[in-house]
Amino acid sequence: AQSVTQLDSQVPVFEEAPVELRCNYSSSVSVYLFWYVQYPNQGLQLLLKYLSGSTLVESINGFEAEFNKSQTSFHLRKPSVHISDTAEYFCAVSEGYGGATNKLIFGTGTLLAVQP
Amino acid sequence: NAGVTQTPKFRILKIGQSMTLQCTQDMNHNYMYWYRQDPGMGLKLIYYSVGAGITDKGEVPNGYNVSRSTTEDFPLRLELAAPSQTSVYFCASSYQVTEAFFGQGTRLTVV
Repeated sequence: AQSVTQLDSQVPVFEEAPVELRCNYSSSVSVYLFWYVQYPNQGLQLLLKYLSGSTLVESINGFEAEFNKSQTSFHLRKPSVHISDTAEYFCAVSEGYGGATNKLIFGTGTLLAVQP
Repeated sequence: NAGVTQTPKFRILKIGQSMTLQCTQDMNHNYMYWYRQDPGMGLKLIYYSVGAGITDKGEVPNGYNVSRSTTEDFPLRLELAAPSQTSVYFCASSYQVTEAFFGQGTRLTVV
């Protein structure tokens, strides 16, 4: 069964500094990988996704993530964060098309706290 | 488009009461999901559905039931509410499993 591990529950960082949020997954078949963002008292919004093709995927607001199959990782990075990036970030995995279960499973989340 | 709509937004239940959390989507998505979110625990999958008439258990199905009689609706039923079911519940839908769209959540307190 697939699973997701986000080792960091909270990541404090100063504004304009770089950040990396870590995500590791386990699955016996090919996977789709996602990062979602949740602002306070709101639902989750998709930030970026890896389905196939290029292993480096980018969002419109400067985040990027790289699919590393050998290390079973999908870490999220941003070279320079803003106060407005403060939110909780969730990594998620689903088995690829044709997989046995097609469930979408989430990690425990990482709170990104950007300080001035 | 309204997207994914959940009702109610807030609810307080007494132990042993029953209720149904409503979820409807207008995007003609085949997949629908119910999650619960607890502090520090992330989102746990309760039940999911890959199409009308098909449902399956997720990670934490005990104490809940679902049905999927139409493509649009995926209600979640709590039969005998317990304090452990105090949580924020999110419904989501997707076309296959490519991108899930979430509702705004239902905050449920069981006292």
